[in-house]
Amino acid sequence: EPEVTQTPSHQVTQMGQEVILRCVPISNHLYFYWYRQILGQKVEFLVSFYNNEISEKSEIFDDQFSVERPDGSNFTLKIRSTKLEDSAMYFCASSPGTGGWYEQYFGPGTRLTVT
Amino acid sequence: DQQVKQNSPSLSVQEGRISILNCDYTNSMFDYFLWYKKYPAEGPTFLISISSIKDKNEDGRFTVFLNKSAKHLSLHIVPSQPGDSAVYFCAATSSGTYKYIFGTGTRLKVLA
Repeated sequence: EPEVTQTPSHQVTQMGQEVILRCVPISNHLYFYWYRQILGQKVEFLVSFYNNEISEKSEIFDDQFSVERPDGSNFTLKIRSTKLEDSAMYFCASSPGTGGWYEQYFGPGTRLTVT
Repeated sequence: DQQVKQNSPSLSVQEGRISILNCDYTNSMFDYFLWYKKYPAEGPTFLISISSIKDKNEDGRFTVFLNKSAKHLSLHIVPSQPGDSAVYFCAATSSGTYKYIFGTGTRLKVLA
């Protein structure tokens, strides 16, 4: 069964450093998303991406964040200058775009620890 | 601004019984609702969804009910199994947007 994959599973970085989180969505999906979950809190929407551009973004997704689909398979989230409060689980998701397009399929997540 | 709320942080149910998880929303623009199950150290897994044109959707042991006037939805799991023990999130979105708002989650424990 197709699945969303994410790398790395755990990333440790120092405050102020740039990180890139990588995702490979399900191959025939057209919509891509990033979410984060701070420990013990709810899953928070960051951004959605369709047709090579951002469709929606939340208040959390400020200028420190960017997304890119550099090729036909990868979808990346870059945080330019990490802060302690960026420590969280980051989930990538994708959805088909037709039929049940609202149904999102999530990856296993990347745990980001900023020290 | 909590547009989607799950007021019960946890729920314990005996195996074989019904589990009822509740979710309330405030934004009347939401017209599509989803339920996800999440195990520790895994991403959320899609369970079932419902459009605002319906008031019920059923898939095997899972049924979602939507009460638009009350801005309330619920997920029924019958019969509950120990493998159902997980955190359950409801989420909402509006057609034409690509932004999903999640609730805070309810931890379900099914006792054998």
